[in-house]
Amino acid sequence: EAGVTQSPTHLIKTRGQQVTLRCSPISGHTSVYWYQQALGLGLQFLLWYDEGEERNRGNFPPRFSGRQFPNYSSELNVNALELEDSALYLCASTTDSRIFGSGTQLSVL
Amino acid sequence: RKEVEQDPGPFNVPEGATVAFNCTYSNSASQSFFWYRQDCRKEPKLLMSVYSSGNEDGRFTAQLNRASQYISLLIRDSKLSDSATYLCVVNPIGGSQGNLIFGKGTKLSVKP
Repeated sequence: EAGVTQSPTHLIKTRGQQVTLRCSPISGHTSVYWYQQALGLGLQFLLWYDEGEERNRGNFPPRFSGRQFPNYSSELNVNALELEDSALYLCASTTDSRIFGSGTQLSVL
Repeated sequence: RKEVEQDPGPFNVPEGATVAFNCTYSNSASQSFFWYRQDCRKEPKLLMSVYSSGNEDGRFTAQLNRASQYISLLIRDSKLSDSATYLCVVNPIGGSQGNLIFGKGTKLSVKP
């Protein structure tokens, strides 16, 4: 059974650019959670999607957005990138606990 | 008080040592608790859930004290491969709706 898959694994962008990250949850799971982990900081909750709807949102500005598709895969979009957006972006599924994908390492120069 | 607080370490221990990590949480109504392990630049992986009665998985023992809002992880007979950052995680309302609250982690380094 495939786990949570994310792409790409690494990205390098410059300030002001836009980026799209992708995630597919575990087969049969309808929820996708997005987290940001900046260097030296804990995981910060970004977004939760379930059944195609945004269910909850963390304390992040509106330039962080996303969507979930009918097949339950998800995209995270970040507009107007800032240096502090450099982080490991993790996607997860399952319910009570979380199973994470291997993440996308985003570097903003 | 931070929602989930851990000693950042690092804990530097020799192989074979016993090491304990502690974690406190602020929301007394929190429903479920976990320990995750995270290797450098990798995703966190679930190590074990923490139950009220305490639970053990091989060399790892987790305990929960709801009255003191305190979770612990004990690692016996440390191996080099145990070197990682251990994250204490709390689900405030349980189930899928909970935004898991992650501690910043405790770094463990096991030396030969």
